[in-house]
Formats: sequence, C-alpha cells, structure tokens
Amino acid sequence: DSGVTQTPKHLITATGQRVTLRCSPRSGDLSVYWYQQSLDQGLQFLIHYYNGEERAKGNILERFSAQQFPDLHSELNLSSLELGDSALYFCASSVEGSYNEQFFGPGTRLTVL
Amino acid sequence: DQQVKQNSPSLSVQEGRISILNCDYTNSMFDYFLWYKKYPAEGPTFLISISSIKDKNEDGRFTVFLNKSAKHLSLHIVPSQPGDSAVYFCAASAIGSQGNLIFGKGTKLSVKP
Repeated sequence: DSGVTQTPKHLITATGQRVTLRCSPRSGDLSVYWYQQSLDQGLQFLIHYYNGEERAKGNILERFSAQQFPDLHSELNLSSLELGDSALYFCASSVEGSYNEQFFGPGTRLTVL
Repeated sequence: DQQVKQNSPSLSVQEGRISILNCDYTNSMFDYFLWYKKYPAEGPTFLISISSIKDKNEDGRFTVFLNKSAKHLSLHIVPSQPGDSAVYFCAASAIGSQGNLIFGKGTKLSVKP
C-alpha cells in the first residue's frame, strides 16, 4: 500500500459526459501528479500540483482540468468525454517536486461507451 | 516522439538467472532515471533510481546501470524470482522539470520456476 488513495476504482460513462476523479496523497506529501495510461501505452504525464499551485502541464487536453485543494487532495475533471479517453488514470504524490520518488495510487479505470 | 524507449515488450527468464531490462532515451536534459514495477490492477511501485552523475546504483538484487554517452540504462535483477514477474517501466526526469516523469511503454517480465 503506497498510502495514495484514488476514487472511484472503476468508472463507466457515456460520450459527452463529465467525470471527476479524486486523489488523496500520502500524508505529508505536497506534490500531486496525474498520469494517463492508455492501452499498450506507457504512462503519460498530465499535470503536476504543488501545495495547491499548478507547477507543470504535460499532454493534458483542454477538456481536462485539475485542482489541488487546501487539504492537499486533488481532483481531475474530464469533460466532453470521447471514446479515446478510456484509460487508466493514476495519481502519484511526492514530498517535493524534484528528485523524489513518486508514490502511485491504484488508479481509476475509466471506460467511455 | 518517444523520449524514453523500452524496445522489448516482453522478456522471459528462468528462476535464479539474471534478468536484464533495457531502456534508451533521447533527451540529453534528462538527469534522473527511475525504474518502476507494476502488477496488474495496481499502481506502479518505485524500485530503484540513479542520478546522471553516477553510472551504477545497487539495491539488493536490483542494480541499475547508466551509460550516458550511449543514452542507455539497464536494470539487472539477480537472481530472478517468480515474484518479480511484472511490467517494468523505465522513467526519466529532466533538469528543471519539477520531477515530472517521462515513462517508457514498459517491458513485461516473466520469471518461470
């Protein structure tokens, strides 16, 4: 158990809908990262928050947004969903932003029908 | 354009023998490299890392070698055990990237008893 929790574990929805994925980092970790893993792909970095502030964006679509709240939990919002958004979404946390190993949650499997 | 490449999708090794997983990268700004192990239905778990100022790092049965001139790193597992069967991801972080990781697509290791 990495100490990072993600909810829900599975999510099935329809095209055009909007969903919210939630992540609680390890106690004491200030950085939260979001990654997407599509079929047969490696993990793609989406976005990084540190202590409530956005630090970096990766390959994140404009239909996707995220935030980190004062209690340090984070939410990833996916809107106008398309079939291609079906993937595993992982959240990771670390103490700081650089040169620290990231601890990953178990992921949320999103299926868009 | 893949900046981190794991060219072998799978590897099969006999229990007790050495497993060698390879990873190539293209971005010369990468200065920190990590290996993660992933079991089905779980998030990636950190295994071992290496800074670009070193060429070797060892932790128990796991050793990572870095050849900067060749932009190549490898993970050696000795001796391999059936419990090591998993997908192994190579990841890299660039200077100034706030620790955001770029992952390869992974290599599935099967250790046969």
